[in-house]
Amino acid sequence: GAVVSQHPSWVICKSGTSVKIECRSLDFQATTMFWYRQFPKQSLMLMATSNEGSKATYEQGVEKDKFLINHASLTLSTLTVTSAHPEDSSFYICSARDSASGRATGELFFGEGSRLTVL
Amino acid sequence: AQRVTQPEKLLSVFKGAPVELKCNYSYSGSPELFWYVQYSRQRLQLLLRHISRESIKGFTADLNKGETSFHLKKPFAQEEDSAMYYCALKGGNAGGTSYGKLTFGQGTILTVHP
Repeated sequence: GAVVSQHPSWVICKSGTSVKIECRSLDFQATTMFWYRQFPKQSLMLMATSNEGSKATYEQGVEKDKFLINHASLTLSTLTVTSAHPEDSSFYICSARDSASGRATGELFFGEGSRLTVL
Repeated sequence: AQRVTQPEKLLSVFKGAPVELKCNYSYSGSPELFWYVQYSRQRLQLLLRHISRESIKGFTADLNKGETSFHLKKPFAQEEDSAMYYCALKGGNAGGTSYGKLTFGQGTILTVHP
C-alpha cells in the first residue's frame, strides 16, 4: 500500500523555538494532506487541511500563525510550530490520499506521527 | 457540523467472546463511515469502510441510518485484536478545500484477555 512518512519521528526543543515537521507521500501524489494532533490516549483532532498550491484550511480554534502549513509540492507538506511552548507538546500526525484514486474511494494513509516535546 | 461519538473508552473481553465497539454519528449529509485501528506502537490504518461492505479480520460494521450508528462487531475476539479503534466520518462538501477530511471519535481501547 501507499506510504506516508513523517520526519522527524520525535523532537525535543526549547520553549520559544520553532519546529518543522515534514509529511511526505512516498509513492503517490497527494493534492490534499491533513494534519492531526493527538493527546495521550485521546482522539485525533483535525488541525488543518493542507492543499497543494493554496492556503491551508484551519479548523476552528487552531491558530494559523502558530501552526504554519506549507504544501509546496504534490508529495510534501510541512507543519511548523512557531514559538513553541510546553502546551504545544503533542503527537502530530499527517495523512494523505492518493489523488489518482479519486475522492470517492481514495483511502487515507497515515504517517507514523511526530512526537514534539517542548521544554 | 459533524460529530462522532464512541461511548466506551475501554472495552475488555476474553478471547473467543463476541465484541461490539459502539459508534454513533451526527451529520447532516450522506455519511461515509470508517473504522481505523491503531495497534501498539504502529500507525493508524484503515480497518474497514461502510461502502465496501467487507469483512476484515473477522470484523464487520453495518451503517444504520435510522439509529445513526456504525457499530463494529466481531463474533470471536482474538488476543491480536487488542488495539485502539477509532470510528471516523468523512464529510465536507465535494469540491471544497476541506473535502475528504475525517472526523474521529474519541477511540475505544479494546483489550482481549487470554
